[in-house]
Amino acid sequence: DQQVKQNSPSLSVQEGRISILNCDYTNSMFDYFLWYKKYPAEGPTFLISISSIKDKNEDGRFTVFLNKSAKHLSLHIVPSQPGDSAVYFCAAGGVLQGGSEKLVFGKGTKLTVNP
Amino acid sequence: NAGVMQNPRHLVRRRGQEARLRCSPMKGHSHVYWYRQLPEEGLKFMVYLQKENIIDESGMPKERFSAEFPKEGPSILRIQQVVRGDSAAYFCASSRREGASYNEQFFGPGTRLTVL
Repeated sequence: DQQVKQNSPSLSVQEGRISILNCDYTNSMFDYFLWYKKYPAEGPTFLISISSIKDKNEDGRFTVFLNKSAKHLSLHIVPSQPGDSAVYFCAAGGVLQGGSEKLVFGKGTKLTVNP
Repeated sequence: NAGVMQNPRHLVRRRGQEARLRCSPMKGHSHVYWYRQLPEEGLKFMVYLQKENIIDESGMPKERFSAEFPKEGPSILRIQQVVRGDSAAYFCASSRREGASYNEQFFGPGTRLTVL
């Protein structure tokens, strides 16, 4: 049972354009959502987060949108840069069963930004 | 301020041997999480520990796997009698959870376990 889904395994965009990465979830108990960026042979690096009580959070070139009714969030990167090429993971968390605040991850989307 | 440290970065074991993976959380962090990533998959939660306590081990296989986070020293993920299916990247994350509005977890570089 996959509670967090990233249906696009890969995405390719041109430098300077917008990258939009999507994520869907099924558990309405999640309190917050995070995006992590991961390069090969490295651990995930925190990028941006959003609380379930908000619908938008912006940090520089990165904006995350949350649509609670659709159980959908997206990460917008604009303008995209070649250095943004990485695997992006969507993660969801909250005080779930047993009081644990573990993160539930999607399978990731590999973003390639072409010069 | 050093980040989350994991060692070894790469570990090769033969079937039946034991694997010990170590994780030192960021300074000031008292919460440790272990995740496993299989090829082409996302990270899957295994266990959540605080100092000397296992809080949630719902993601741990019932047999052969154990974890600890002693009062002194790093957190240890121990896999006994490894099998080929244990080959994966194992990531440790830590968090502080003091007044945080959400549980931002900082990840280490991971240990890549290969079972021959």
